[in-house]
Amino acid sequence: DIQLTQSPSTLSASVGDRVTITCRASQDINIWLAWYQQKPGKAPKLLISQASTLKSGVPSRFSGSGSGTEFTLTISSLQPDDFATYYCQQSYSYPLYSFGPGTKVEIK
Amino acid sequence: EVQLEESGGGLIQPGGSLRLSCAASGVTVSNSYMSWVRQAPGKGLEWASVIYAGGETFYADSVKGRFTIFRDSSKNTLHLQMDSLRLEDTAVYYCTRVFQGVIDDWGQGTLVTVSS
Repeated sequence: DIQLTQSPSTLSASVGDRVTITCRASQDINIWLAWYQQKPGKAPKLLISQASTLKSGVPSRFSGSGSGTEFTLTISSLQPDDFATYYCQQSYSYPLYSFGPGTKVEIK
Repeated sequence: EVQLEESGGGLIQPGGSLRLSCAASGVTVSNSYMSWVRQAPGKGLEWASVIYAGGETFYADSVKGRFTIFRDSSKNTLHLQMDSLRLEDTAVYYCTRVFQGVIDDWGQGTLVTVSS
């Protein structure tokens, strides 16, 4: 099974900050990594697929990069609506793709 | 637009059974890769079960032998039959549609609470 780790687990930041979240896979998953945003009491929303492909409608301040075993999600200028928990998910090893443990972005 | 609406959650005693349903619109369940993803209170996301368009099913080890995923093509509905429920099955269960390995469509979730 492919394990995903995320760092940090919690991140305190201010509006306007540049924020970077890292996701590491236990084996090479090429570019098969997605990122989701989840707000309390709501279902997650897909932000990025295949490591760097931004879903239509997602603000351009979100970007993804990486390949192999190390990936990053970057928010170039944190907005009030961005305070949420972010999960990575590998889509390399089917049928049960795994999620990372999540990174909570809090207001500093 | 794809809409997925779950129902069937509630409070159930350990060892009991519950059936979740997911009514779909904007997508044909029988032609799609559908899954149930769950989230325990305050915890992360966990794939519980998937069903391919061809009908093949898979389960997380934590639910294997106790949960059954199936679909009703006539009603365009996905189900999750949950038997021998345990305290650790307490979670919000999301019905999802998977496309090219990612979840682009989620239901609003239904809460299952296993407690005596």
